[in-house]
Amino acid sequence: NAGVTQTPKFRVLKTGQSMTLLCAQDMNHEYMYWYRQDPGMGLRLIHYSVGEGTTAKGEVPDGYNVSRLKKQNFLLGLESAAPSQTSVYFCASSYESWEQYFGPGTRLTVT
Amino acid sequence: SQQGEEDPQALSIQEGENATMNCSYKTSINNLQWYRQNSGRGLVHLILIRSNEREKHSGRLRVTLDTSKKSSSLLITASRAADTASYFCATGAGGTSYGKLTFGQGTILTVHP
Repeated sequence: NAGVTQTPKFRVLKTGQSMTLLCAQDMNHEYMYWYRQDPGMGLRLIHYSVGEGTTAKGEVPDGYNVSRLKKQNFLLGLESAAPSQTSVYFCASSYESWEQYFGPGTRLTVT
Repeated sequence: SQQGEEDPQALSIQEGENATMNCSYKTSINNLQWYRQNSGRGLVHLILIRSNEREKHSGRLRVTLDTSKKSSSLLITASRAADTASYFCATGAGGTSYGKLTFGQGTILTVHP
């Protein structure tokens, strides 16, 4: 089992460019989450999903969109990247409200 | 906003010593979890304690929860250099929160060989 995987691992964007981060899990989890982590801070929830075809806003959703077309995949999109979105992005999944399993992260720099 | 606040922000100890980290939170919870993050890696779940539990053990880890004080502590006994990492507490509200967690800012633990 690969657990939770994220693609890509690193990316550099210019202001205004768009990109999509892909998260995949092979644990048949219903719940999936996208977080961002900034230096010296804990994780902040961007968006989450409680099942295929459903998404909901988290604590810091502005500037991001998500989709969950397949149960195993959760995509995070940046339509027009801004320097404030420079961060490390983590995807996680869980079985209901128990422990979350995290991916290795995507380090994004917006110049 | 961050639910949990962790104390201390950084902790430096010698191998073999015990490490204690504390977490305080503001609103009622269903469960509290502790995670470890090695530098440049994702978070790894360590232990979950439910709101009706007061203490839980897992190997060298001991977690306590005091819901009246809205606080938790994580004790790592007989620390090893490999325990060097950031440790985060996260609170879950249960119910219709759909497993959402609110993370603290973390404690950076350095264990010197």
